[in-house]
Amino acid sequence: DAGVTQSPTHLIKTRGQQVTLRCSPKSGHDTVSWYQQALGQGPQFIFQYYEEEERQRGNFPDRFSGHQFPNYSSELNVNALLLGDSALYLCASSLAGGTSYEQYFGPGTRLTVT
Amino acid sequence: AQSVTQLGSHVSVSEGALVLLRCNYSSSVPPYLFWYVQYPNQGLQLLLKYTSAATLVKGINGFEAEFKKSETSFHLTKPSAHMSDAAEYFCAVIPSGGYNKLIFGAGTRLAVHP
Repeated sequence: DAGVTQSPTHLIKTRGQQVTLRCSPKSGHDTVSWYQQALGQGPQFIFQYYEEEERQRGNFPDRFSGHQFPNYSSELNVNALLLGDSALYLCASSLAGGTSYEQYFGPGTRLTVT
Repeated sequence: AQSVTQLGSHVSVSEGALVLLRCNYSSSVPPYLFWYVQYPNQGLQLLLKYTSAATLVKGINGFEAEFKKSETSFHLTKPSAHMSDAAEYFCAVIPSGGYNKLIFGAGTRLAVHP
């Protein structure tokens, strides 16, 4: 049973560029959430996708956008990159309506903006 | 807005000693509470969760946590630390009506020395 997978593992971009990160949820899960973890901090909720729609959003600017595909996989897009966007981006999957409330995390994508 | 406070950004214990990592939440309604562990350069792994069942929750790797409503606390303990327990630990809460959106504390780095 494959867990949550993310690609790429590492990424280096220049300020002003755009980046796309990808996530495949755990088998059987239909909900994907994205988190940003800056160095030395706890993860911060970016947004959550369910049924190909953004269901809720954290306190992040519109430069951060996402998408969910019919197979439940998801992408996170960040436009006009800033140095402060350098972080570990974590994807988590879960089952909507489930009673365990567990989220399973992928290994993350380390984004460095120079 | 609900929040999570982890007291002590760094905790150091001797191998075999008791591990106590503190977490307090702010909520008028008992939320769902979690402890996650993060090893270097990895994603988050669920240690244990509280979802309004038993107040003493047992997790993986010998960890347990006790939900105390009167103290709004959910401290993590392990009777005897092992070198392999060295990692970053995060307490998190899903607020009521939060669609599985996790709110994390800032984390506690646990060091275990011989």
